[in-house]
Amino acid sequence: AQSVTQPDIHITVSEGASLELRCNYSYGATPYLFWYVQSPGQGLQLLLKYFSGDTLVQGIKGFEAEFKRSQSSFNLRKPSVHWSDAAEYFCAAPREYNDMRFGAGTRLTVKP
Amino acid sequence: DTAVSQTPKYLVTQMGNDKSIKCEQNLGHDTMYWYKQDSKKFLKIMFSYNNKELIINETVPNRFSPKSPDKAHLNLHINSLELGDSAVYFCASSQGATGSGYTFGSGTRLTVV
Repeated sequence: AQSVTQPDIHITVSEGASLELRCNYSYGATPYLFWYVQSPGQGLQLLLKYFSGDTLVQGIKGFEAEFKRSQSSFNLRKPSVHWSDAAEYFCAAPREYNDMRFGAGTRLTVKP
Repeated sequence: DTAVSQTPKYLVTQMGNDKSIKCEQNLGHDTMYWYKQDSKKFLKIMFSYNNKELIINETVPNRFSPKSPDKAHLNLHINSLELGDSAVYFCASSQGATGSGYTFGSGTRLTVV
């Protein structure tokens, strides 16, 4: 079945350290892939998206993600994490025309 | 201006009551959605409306019913509320296929007591 998986439920990093959040997808063809962020008490905000072309995608807030077909992965990265990045992060992909499916989410904690 | 707005933000009600959550988007998008987020942050799609037609209706109890008076609004009505309905409900919208990404509202936290 078409799905996205986020293997890490919770990640803790120190402020200023680099970050990588993992996302694996299971789709027959190359899917559209998205990363969203949810700050506490807020809705989801789109960070970046991949359709085709360049496998390294730049997003907002200094985030980037790399699509790797050989690994069926679309990992989110940031070179230097800020305390305000503490949030829940969701990888997502559409299953059908109007049916976006989300991973279980990864909670990011930032240590001072 | 808020792109996707939901009201109310918080809703506390007793079991058995009927309640509604309103959603409006001013982005001119042609498709709107309702998602349910449980206590473990898992997001599940409930409904999708495109040009006033229901596209997706997942295995949601028929106590839940979406109502779309126009393509800028998608309200969620819930009858005979149960304890298990407690969750955060998100409205979202998109233009065209899901490849464009969604814009989410800030959510409605429903607590059934």
